[in-house]
Amino acid sequence: GQQLNQSPQSMFIQEGEDVSMNCTSSSIFNTWLWYKQEPGEGPVLLIALYKAGELTSNGRLTAQFGITRKDSFLNISASIPSDVGIYFCAGLPMRFGAGTRLTVKP
Amino acid sequence: DAGVTQSPTHLIKTRGQQVTLRCSPISGHKSVSWYQQVLGQGPQFIFQYYEKEERGRGNFPDRFSARQFPNYSSELNVNALLLGDSALYLCASSPPSPTFNRGQDVGAQYFGPGTRLTVL
Repeated sequence: GQQLNQSPQSMFIQEGEDVSMNCTSSSIFNTWLWYKQEPGEGPVLLIALYKAGELTSNGRLTAQFGITRKDSFLNISASIPSDVGIYFCAGLPMRFGAGTRLTVKP
Repeated sequence: DAGVTQSPTHLIKTRGQQVTLRCSPISGHKSVSWYQQVLGQGPQFIFQYYEKEERGRGNFPDRFSARQFPNYSSELNVNALLLGDSALYLCASSPPSPTFNRGQDVGAQYFGPGTRLTVL
């Protein structure tokens, strides 16, 4: 089946640093989504990408839909403590990556 | 505006029992999907319903079933519960996709808070 490989698995960064994570697949997806999940809650949609090559920003977050439609990345600039959580990529029809656990040290 | 709501928030059952989980989508969303998330993993797709019809099914046994009602709310049923069914069950609703011409008629999914099911 379609598998999404998300990396890195975890990141420990200093407040103020930039973060980059990515997701790759052997299959094509027509939509890429990025979510953040905090303990005990459902995933919250951060960015949705619908076109190959599309670059979309949401505040300090920027995500791109790879031109081959097999990959996507998410960047977070100037991280803050509340960025802590697990970030998931997802492709439609729905497949999720395993998540990147982000820890931000003040 | 109200987001996706799920009930109950927590549930404890014993092996062999049956459970029904409920979900109300965001107003105007006609698609509902169900996911199972075990600790430390990403959500695993169980079902997708669109306009009351099953549009997709993940790799789950027949003990799992679902339905969508005329008001677009949905129920997930799990029969003959096993210990391994313990997980967070997530419901997500979707508006129509902005890229309908690609044959993808469902857009980004918005998740509810989940139902935490514990099977003892």
